[in-house]
Amino acid sequence: AQSVTQLGSHVSVSEGALVLLRCNYSSSVPPYLFWYVQYPNQGLQLLLKYTSAATLVKGINGFEAEFKKSETSFHLTKPSAHMSDAAEYFCAVSKPTDSWGKLQFGAGTQVVVTP
Amino acid sequence: DAGVTQSPTHLIKTRGQQVTLRCSPKSGHDTVSWYQQALGQGPQFIFQYYEEEERQRGNFPDRFSGHQFPNYSSELNVNALLLGDSALYLCASSSLAASSYEQYFGPGTRLTVT
Repeated sequence: AQSVTQLGSHVSVSEGALVLLRCNYSSSVPPYLFWYVQYPNQGLQLLLKYTSAATLVKGINGFEAEFKKSETSFHLTKPSAHMSDAAEYFCAVSKPTDSWGKLQFGAGTQVVVTP
Repeated sequence: DAGVTQSPTHLIKTRGQQVTLRCSPKSGHDTVSWYQQALGQGPQFIFQYYEEEERQRGNFPDRFSGHQFPNYSSELNVNALLLGDSALYLCASSSLAASSYEQYFGPGTRLTVT
């Protein structure tokens, strides 16, 4: 069975500061990993994905994440936070052997950006 | 290019009633998945449809059922509604042939059961 743990349900960051959102996974095989963002009253938007190519993945809106197999982690970072980054962020995993790509999500991290 | 669309946006139902939610996938996509997102939680997988058949199912009771039509659109039906069914229901579409493992989500339907 696989699972996803997001450390910190709420993160507060100052505008211009580093954004770091933590995600750890548990899986019998290296999974595919995703970060999604959800703005209030909206659906989920894919930020970036890791599907066994480069371990450092760059996504939209200046976000990037690094897959670290030894640490079973896929933390999301952004060098400089903008007010528009305030949203909820979800880490998700799927099994590479699952051609249907069913996603299992973490509980989410709410990001607040302060001026 | 229209993305994933869902209807209705909001819905209020009474316990014991039945509800149908609708989803149209992104153009070119043939697979539709449904997720339930309770308040303050991550989405939970309900089931997935491809070629008008349910291919995978999460840990949800039989009260939750679905259908996929020849044009790839899909419906989620929930019978005998419980208060605990109140949630945001998200539809996601993908292309099996693309093998990109990307799912594109719609804006969701907010269901409130009173």
